[in-house]
Amino acid sequence: DIHMTQSPSTLSASVGDKVTITCRASQSINRWLAWYQQKPGKAPKLLIYQASNLETGVPSKFSGSGSGTEFTLTISRLQPDDSATYYCQQYHIHSNFGQGTRLEIK
Amino acid sequence: EVQLLESGGRFVRPGGSLRLSCAGSGFTFSSYAMTWVRQTPGQGLEWISSISGSNTNTYYADSVKGRFTISRDNSKNTLYLQMRSLGAGDTAIYYCAKDRGGSFGGEFHYWGQGTLVTVSS
Repeated sequence: DIHMTQSPSTLSASVGDKVTITCRASQSINRWLAWYQQKPGKAPKLLIYQASNLETGVPSKFSGSGSGTEFTLTISRLQPDDSATYYCQQYHIHSNFGQGTRLEIK
Repeated sequence: EVQLLESGGRFVRPGGSLRLSCAGSGFTFSSYAMTWVRQTPGQGLEWISSISGSNTNTYYADSVKGRFTISRDNSKNTLYLQMRSLGAGDTAIYYCAKDRGGSFGGEFHYWGQGTLVTVSS
């Protein structure tokens, strides 16, 4: 099984800041990686697919990069609405998710 | 507009069985792989099973293999998850999700609202 590790587990930042979340795979997954945003009581929402492709309708303040085993999600110009938990997902072999990164906006 | 509506979640005793359903609308259901993902209360997401659009191929996480069965009825635009030998560890919100393509192996770009399964004595 491919294991996905996200860091940090929690993150606190201020309005207007830029933050980066890292996701590492236990083996190469090429670029078969997606990022999701989940708010309390809601289903996850797809933000990025194939490591760096922005899903339709998602603001360009979200961006993804990486390949192989290391990936990043960057969120610019933070707003209170960005407060959520962010998950990475690999789909190179079956699928599984990272443990999540909770982002708090101060 | 793509919509996914799960149903069937309820309280069940350990060792019991349950079948979840997910009704899809707003897209050609048979053209897309579908997936079940669960989320234990306050915890992260776990992929548990997927099925190809043609109903040909199924995939399971080790945690549910042999106990859960995914299926679909393309004539009814409905996805199912038959769950057996349920334990406390299966307590979760179960989401159905639509894959971007017909074969499993992609991101999940639409999700239902989830249905809660509680396993307890």
